[in-house]
Amino acid sequence: GENVEQHPSTLSVQEGDSAVIKCTYSDSASNYFPWYKQELGKRPQLIIDIRSNVGEKKDQRIAVTLNKTAKHFSLHITETQPEDSAVYFCAARAGANNLFFGTGTRLTVIP
Amino acid sequence: NAGVTQTPKFQVLKTGQSMTLQCAQDMNHEYMSWYRQDPGMGLRLIHYSVGAGITDQGEVPNGYNVSRSTTEDFPLRLLSAAPSQTSVYFCASSPRLNSGNTIYFGEGSWLTVV
Repeated sequence: GENVEQHPSTLSVQEGDSAVIKCTYSDSASNYFPWYKQELGKRPQLIIDIRSNVGEKKDQRIAVTLNKTAKHFSLHITETQPEDSAVYFCAARAGANNLFFGTGTRLTVIP
Repeated sequence: NAGVTQTPKFQVLKTGQSMTLQCAQDMNHEYMSWYRQDPGMGLRLIHYSVGAGITDQGEVPNGYNVSRSTTEDFPLRLLSAAPSQTSVYFCASSPRLNSGNTIYFGEGSWLTVV
């Protein structure tokens, strides 16, 4: 099955700085890559996703890039704010298969 | 439209006891699944279903059973609870299992086995 690796496991940034989280996947057939944000004690919630026919997608301060050749994708958060502090999960899916998740990155934004 | 509803939210079990985590969705989603979340291990798929009457195993199915008698409900049964099953459990659903659909999570069930 798919194997998704996520780095770093923890990330601390100053408020206003950018944060980058990187994921790699193993199944070259994977074509859907969502990112979830999970606040303490809450459910994971989708923040952005990208499909394999697109190299980059942006939504306000959040962007995701995909490199299918290298089999990696990244989440970029610009102008970070304290409310961005959470655990972020990447995931990958190949066609009609299940979603496989990375192990998560705990982002702390220091005011 | 309540989305994905899980019960109970918190439960403490003794080793060897059995219990059922309930999951229901009111969005007429074909796909439902159960994940467990453990520190440093992300979300791991336990079982999933692509429609009523159809279930299949995920990455970590041992010690768990599921059934899907209706489109709405997908209960997860712990047959004989073990401390290793202490975890947070999330039910999730999606219109159907394909690359165009993301999954939506319930609020989670915190289970402690002592």
